[in-house]
Amino acid sequence: GQQLNQSPQSMFIQEGEDVSMNCTSSSIFNTWLWYKQDPGEGPVLLIALYKAGELTSNGRLTAQFGITRKDSFLNISASIPSDVGIYFCAGLYQAGTALIFGKGTTLSVSS
Amino acid sequence: GAVVSQHPSRVICKSGTSVKIECRSLDFQATTMFWYRQFPKQSLMLMATSNEGSKATYEQGVEKDKFLINHASLTLSTLTVTSAHPEDSSFYICSAREWGGRNQPQHFGDGTRLSIL
Repeated sequence: GQQLNQSPQSMFIQEGEDVSMNCTSSSIFNTWLWYKQDPGEGPVLLIALYKAGELTSNGRLTAQFGITRKDSFLNISASIPSDVGIYFCAGLYQAGTALIFGKGTTLSVSS
Repeated sequence: GAVVSQHPSRVICKSGTSVKIECRSLDFQATTMFWYRQFPKQSLMLMATSNEGSKATYEQGVEKDKFLINHASLTLSTLTVTSAHPEDSSFYICSAREWGGRNQPQHFGDGTRLSIL
């Protein structure tokens, strides 16, 4: 199936550092979502974006819906050890359809 | 918040066995549920879209006779892996979208780890 281009594939950072990851697509999406998945569990929704240009925060997380509707980024500020996990972007063409997932960014945080 | 319950969380069985996985939306109605498969260190790949009261829509390459999907109510969808073989071993995850409104997000279950010996 189709996937989004998500980068970086993995990141190794020190506690307290800021993190940035992004997703790009050749197609336009109407919704961008960011999920976090811990080992052996399902993805948990972090932020949902519904309008081009929208900038939304959830605690230390900030995500933006690109103006072209073909990209999105997620920033994590002042990382902590519990931020460790795999972060997935997901795009949605229209309501009721399935999400298209990026390949994930694995985040490792050392204290 | 919305919760999706998936059961069982882990299954280990012999080759040739059929395995049923349940996906329930606990506090909302879901006219559409989705089934994904995830191999180690890879992303989620959509297998099929399950619509309440109608036949599921399968993605290209997914055998509908092997992965039987039933969505009998607005809160329950089941995936049955028939005559499972070792290559079917994977992490299966369902998601459900709350009914109503274009901006309802999809919520995921905690997944089922299927291991076929």
